[in-house]
Amino acid sequence: KQEVTQIPAALSVPEGENLVLNCSFTDSAIYNLQWFRQDPGKGLTSLLLIQSSQREQTSGRLNASLDKSSGRSTLYIAASQPGDSATYLCAVRDRDDKIIFGKGTRLHILP
Amino acid sequence: GAGVSQTPSNKVTEKGKYVELRCDPISGHTALYWYRQSLGQGPEFLIYFQGTGAADDSGLPNDRFFAVRPEGSVSTLKIQRTERGDSAVYLCASSSGDLYNSPLHFGNGTRLTVT
Repeated sequence: KQEVTQIPAALSVPEGENLVLNCSFTDSAIYNLQWFRQDPGKGLTSLLLIQSSQREQTSGRLNASLDKSSGRSTLYIAASQPGDSATYLCAVRDRDDKIIFGKGTRLHILP
Repeated sequence: GAGVSQTPSNKVTEKGKYVELRCDPISGHTALYWYRQSLGQGPEFLIYFQGTGAADDSGLPNDRFFAVRPEGSVSTLKIQRTERGDSAVYLCASSSGDLYNSPLHFGNGTRLTVT
């Protein structure tokens, strides 16, 4: 059974710092891994999708990496801003086409 | 519409009542997912449709929960004899058929409160 874990559960960093969020999964037989952002009381917004054959994807200040063999992904946020404060979730699409989520990392950027 | 639409946005019901939650996916998306999210938790998988059929309903907690997608577009999640433990945000998402490269698009959810 696929399990997705995100560490840390919560993180506070001063504005301007670079930071890394971690995601691990137990079964490497996946189609892709996706990172989402969720603001309080809102739905999820897709940030980046990495296919199983890819190593990383970049969008603006965000960079996501994937090491499928070790079951790990990281989301790197450069030059953090207060507007980056949100919960970040990762999810894997497994070979049964089920999409399994971690519990998320609550990020707070201190102005 | 441009995105996934869920109605109602909020639903308050009494214990024991029946509720229906609606999801209108992005036009042309063949895959549709229902999730349930409690405070401080990640989304919990409930059911997945590919076209009109439920490809995987292993996440439905019990037989009070049922979902349909009769024409392969709009889906309805139905909960019978609601219990206070059913209170949560119910999220719907859709994607195209490309299993490798199709991101999941979410609606804003329906917040269900059972009193």
